[in-house]
Amino acid sequence: QSALTQSASVSGSPGQSITISCTGTSSDVGHYNYVSWYQHHPGKAPKVMIYDVSNRPSGVSNRFSGSKSGNTASLTISGLQAEDEADYYCSSYTNSTTVVFGGGTKLTVL
Amino acid sequence: QVQLHESGPGLVKPSETLSLTCTVSGDSISTHFWSWIRQPAGKGLEWIGRVYNIGRSTNYNPSLKSRVTMSIDTSKNQFSLNLSSVTAADTAVYFCARGRGSSLFDYWGQGTLVTVSS
Repeated sequence: QSALTQSASVSGSPGQSITISCTGTSSDVGHYNYVSWYQHHPGKAPKVMIYDVSNRPSGVSNRFSGSKSGNTASLTISGLQAEDEADYYCSSYTNSTTVVFGGGTKLTVL
Repeated sequence: QVQLHESGPGLVKPSETLSLTCTVSGDSISTHFWSWIRQPAGKGLEWIGRVYNIGRSTNYNPSLKSRVTMSIDTSKNQFSLNLSSVTAADTAVYFCARGRGSSLFDYWGQGTLVTVSS
């Protein structure tokens, strides 16, 4: 299975909004509403920010939102804060009953 | 509070078998599914596979399937990973995680670095 495609990096200033995209295929992102997004600060455990395309776990800020169109899912972070600087990964269930991750996007808060 | 903790050798010789255990507290290993995920230095996350207590069923990443075995020990509330015939390419931080639904990993261990070297 091939990794989902994410841009390598994105940046924004505090208070701005950014969107990270995650492109898969009709066998994963396009076929199921089972896309999750993870925030990963190096050296720590990844943290789920969005699951099932657009659901936010309890405790996650409503500045984080998710959506999907066709084979591409997106994570939007509004009102950027310094603490949002991290690596972000998407994942999707696949029609092979496996899970595939994206290559990761490094978010820099300027 | 659900907690996961990985344990196992930090150094494995090439061609040998990497063995890790994840100890779960705050939840029963008999519920949900349990996954291993790894991250080579400077690279992204890679899903290795998952194991369910029901039927002891497993799903593995096709690229690793021939070398991976996962199992559950309900008496110890642990699950484990065996990865055979390792090479330097298997050097990574290995995470264990609890899975819910189809691709949600809601609790993770802190990760353990495994280096493959002679």
